[in-house]
Amino acid sequence: DSGVTQTPKHLITATGQRVTLRCSPRSGDLSVYWYQQSLDQGLQFLIQYYNGEERAKGNILERFSAQQFPDLHSELNLSSLELGDSALYFCASSVRDRLNTEAFFGQGTRLTVV
Amino acid sequence: DAKTTQPPSMDCAEGRAANLPCNHSTISGNEYVYWYRQIHSQGPQYIIHGLKNNETNEMASLIITEDRKSSTLILPHATLRDTAVYYCIVRVAANTGKLIFGQGTTLQVKP
Repeated sequence: DSGVTQTPKHLITATGQRVTLRCSPRSGDLSVYWYQQSLDQGLQFLIQYYNGEERAKGNILERFSAQQFPDLHSELNLSSLELGDSALYFCASSVRDRLNTEAFFGQGTRLTVV
Repeated sequence: DAKTTQPPSMDCAEGRAANLPCNHSTISGNEYVYWYRQIHSQGPQYIIHGLKNNETNEMASLIITEDRKSSTLILPHATLRDTAVYYCIVRVAANTGKLIFGQGTTLQVKP
């Protein structure tokens, strides 16, 4: 158990809908990262937050947004969903905003868009 | 961050050492080598990292060549539970903590 909790574990929704994925980082970790893993793209970095502020951005679509709340949990919002958004979404956390040790990953949310 | 090259797949007999190579010929002086693994769609798991000295922890050993252009992750006594995709990542530790994953090496440990 990495200490990072992601909910829900599975999500099935229809095209055009909006969903919210939730991540609770390890106790004491200030940085949260979101990654997407699809079959054809591998693990892709989406976005990072540190202590409530956006710190780095990857190839995150405009239809996707994220935020980190004062209690440090984070949510990834996916809107106008398309079939191609079906993927595993992982959250990771680390103590600092710059990674000189390791990141701890949650078990992921499997999103299926039908 | 420097690019890495790994073989797409490898086999290893259970109980034997698994040696996973990684080429990072364009690595610069302040870039670290990190290894993560992902077991069957679970979240990736940190294994080890190093700068230029060889490193060992309870999971594995990391051997980095003197010119730092390549490295080898060693699992000393592979078990069936070590079957996973292994990712070698080179990055500047002081940069933002995002990880750029390549395709990795799929290690199959066989009985």
